[in-house]
Amino acid sequence: DGGITQSPKYLFRKEGQNVTLSCEQNLNHDAMYWYRQDPGQGLRLIYYSQIVNDFQKGDIAEGYSVSREKKESFPLTVTSAQKNPTAFYLCASNKQGPDTQYFGPGTRLTVL
Amino acid sequence: SQELEQSPQSLIVQEGKNLTINCTSSKTLYGLYWYKQKYGEGLIFLMMLQKGGEEKSHEKITAKLDEKKQQSSLHITASQPSHAGIYLCGATRNNDMRFGAGTRLTVKP
Repeated sequence: DGGITQSPKYLFRKEGQNVTLSCEQNLNHDAMYWYRQDPGQGLRLIYYSQIVNDFQKGDIAEGYSVSREKKESFPLTVTSAQKNPTAFYLCASNKQGPDTQYFGPGTRLTVL
Repeated sequence: SQELEQSPQSLIVQEGKNLTINCTSSKTLYGLYWYKQKYGEGLIFLMMLQKGGEEKSHEKITAKLDEKKQQSSLHITASQPSHAGIYLCGATRNNDMRFGAGTRLTVKP
């Protein structure tokens, strides 16, 4: 089946540790996105990538890093510099910028 | 302030009742998307509207984009418990999308 997968579903991290969230898609989409969702605030864009080996910062990129070495994969690293990392993280993809975005099931990160 | 404002923030309706959720933009909308989200899950795409005056329906859910393309409404007819969740509107902007804060819908059986 075609789709977007995110792993793990739940992730716990101690303060000061970096953690990497996985996002994989087999939809042959060129563009991929990372969002953060906090209660009552909707989705905020962290990073996005329109093509392999290229990515751009979104509205809240500080404390996060990404890579796009393969078309199918867009991992997000939450670094220790992110001051409030506890949130629900959503990955999405589409053919290109203005097209409909399709979402993965999300990863809930909790910093202990 | 948010580029997309949704109202109401939350809504509780009795099963079988109709309801409307609104999404208002501070800018002209060139592509308006409606998504539904169950708590703790990803977003499910419902509909996309592009033309002023456009209206689309999916089962008992109808979405409209006003003529001036700055507001969209989502109407649910004869609500059911399966309609419960968070409804989010999204608008394309260059190469990414902006979202409203969402409307949390509860349907009481």
